[in-house]
Amino acid sequence: EIVMTQSPATLSVSPGERATLSCRASQSISNNVAWYQQKPGQAPRLLIYGASTRAAGIPARFSGSGSGTEFTLTITSLQSDDFTLFYCQQYSIWPWTFGQGTKVEI
Amino acid sequence: EVQILESGGGLVQPGGSLRLSCVASGFSFSSYWMHWVRQAPGKGLVWVSRIKNDGRVTTYADAVRGRFTVSRDNAKNSLYLQMNSLRAEDTAVYYCGAGDTWTDYWGQGTLVTVSS
Repeated sequence: EIVMTQSPATLSVSPGERATLSCRASQSISNNVAWYQQKPGQAPRLLIYGASTRAAGIPARFSGSGSGTEFTLTITSLQSDDFTLFYCQQYSIWPWTFGQGTKVEI
Repeated sequence: EVQILESGGGLVQPGGSLRLSCVASGFSFSSYWMHWVRQAPGKGLVWVSRIKNDGRVTTYADAVRGRFTVSRDNAKNSLYLQMNSLRAEDTAVYYCGAGDTWTDYWGQGTLVTVSS
C-alpha cells in the first residue's frame, strides 16, 4: 500500500503567521491527494481535494499544491480555530491511506 | 443540511460481533460511494471498507477482510458494517463517510471497544 508521510509531526506557529505542512507519498500518485482538518472529538472535515482545489465553504487562507510524490498544505494568517490536527490522504490506489497527521500548535 | 449519524457501537468481548449503522440525509445518498474509516484512541485515520453507490462493489482493508461485511440500503439512506470475530485491535471510533474518492461528508463516529 502507499505510505503517506507527513512532516513535521508538530508545527509551532503564532496566530497570524503562515503554516506549511508537508506530505510525501511512497510512490507517484499524480494529484490524487486530499487534506482534512480534525478538531478534538470531532470528525475530519474536508479542506482540499485534487491536491489544490478547496472544498465548498473552505476559506481562501487554506491552499494546497504539489503532484507526484510531494504535497503541501499552506495556511496563511493562522487563526485560533486552525490550531488542530491535519491529515493528508491519497486516493490513487486502494486502500486509500492517510498520513499520520501534523499537529499545528501555538 | 448534510447529516450522517452512526450507531451500534459499544463494548464487546473478543471474538464477538457488532453491527454498525449509518443513516444519511441532505445529499443524494444513492449517488455516492460510502466508506467506513476508523480511528483508534489517540491514533490516526485508517480506511476499513467502501461500497459502490449501487452496492455491487465492495472492498476491504487487509486487517478486516473476511471478518467485516459492508452493505447499504439506498431506500433507507443507510450504510451498515457487520463486524465479526472482533479483536482488541479493532477498538476505535468508526466513522461513516460519503465520497467517491475523497470523503466529502463525515459522520460523528461511533465508538467500538473490544475488551474482556
